Amino acid sequence: SQQGEEDPQALSIQEGENATMNCSYKTSINNLQWYRQNSGRGLVHLILIRSNEREKHSGRLRVTLDTSKKSSSLLITASRAADTASYFCATDAGQAGTALIFGKGTTLSVSS
Amino acid sequence: AAGVIQSPRHLIKEKRETATLKCYPIPRHDTVYWYQQGPGQDPQFLISFYEKMQSDKGSIPDRFSAQQFSDYHSELNMSSLELGDSALYFCASSFGRNIYNEQFFGPGTRLTVL
Repeated sequence: SQQGEEDPQALSIQEGENATMNCSYKTSINNLQWYRQNSGRGLVHLILIRSNEREKHSGRLRVTLDTSKKSSSLLITASRAADTASYFCATDAGQAGTALIFGKGTTLSVSS
Repeated sequence: AAGVIQSPRHLIKEKRETATLKCYPIPRHDTVYWYQQGPGQDPQFLISFYEKMQSDKGSIPDRFSAQQFSDYHSELNMSSLELGDSALYFCASSFGRNIYNEQFFGPGTRLTVL
C-alpha cells in the first residue's frame, strides 16, 4: 500500500538551479531512502537516512528527515541536465518487515 | 562490481498465458525482493525471501507465486496473465534482514500482456 505522497509531482528547472523534493509518510519508520529512476529504467539508490538522523549529505545531495512531521526532503544543488529523472522516497515497513514502501515520486526535468 | 541480474529484460505474452521471471542477486546476498511498477506508478512490493524462505508478503496476486532456490536466485511465476499485469518487474537483493540494509535493484523485466 502507498506510504505517502511526494511533492511536487513534477518539477522543471534550469541547469544550475537547486531542486527540492518533499516526501511525507504515514507510519513510524526505521529508515527512509531516496531512489532515482531514469525513464523506464532501474532504480538507483541515492541515500539512506536513519530515523535517528536529521540530515545527511552525499555529493550534491542533501536529505533531511523530520520524524515529528513524518516528512523528508531531497535537495539537489547545482542541478545538471543529467539529473533529469524520477525521484522516489521509500520507507521500510516499520514493525512489519523490511520491504520498501515507495511514494509516488517526483519527475524532475532539468533543461540546459 | 556485480549487480542484480534479471532475465528476461523484455517479455511479451498473451492473456491467460504464463510467465517466469528470474532474478540473480548480488553474490553473498541472501535476501531477494520482488516489486511491480505499473505505467506511471510507484513500485509496489510483491514478496520477499530470506535464506530461501518466504519473508514478507505484499500485494502479490494469488495467480503469482515465487520461490528462492539453494543458490539464492529467485523466480516469479505468473499464471493466467491479465492485461493489467503489464508492468516493470524489479528484483532487489540485500544481505540479511537488517532494517538499515540498502536494497540493490536490478534493471527490471518489462512484461507486456497482449
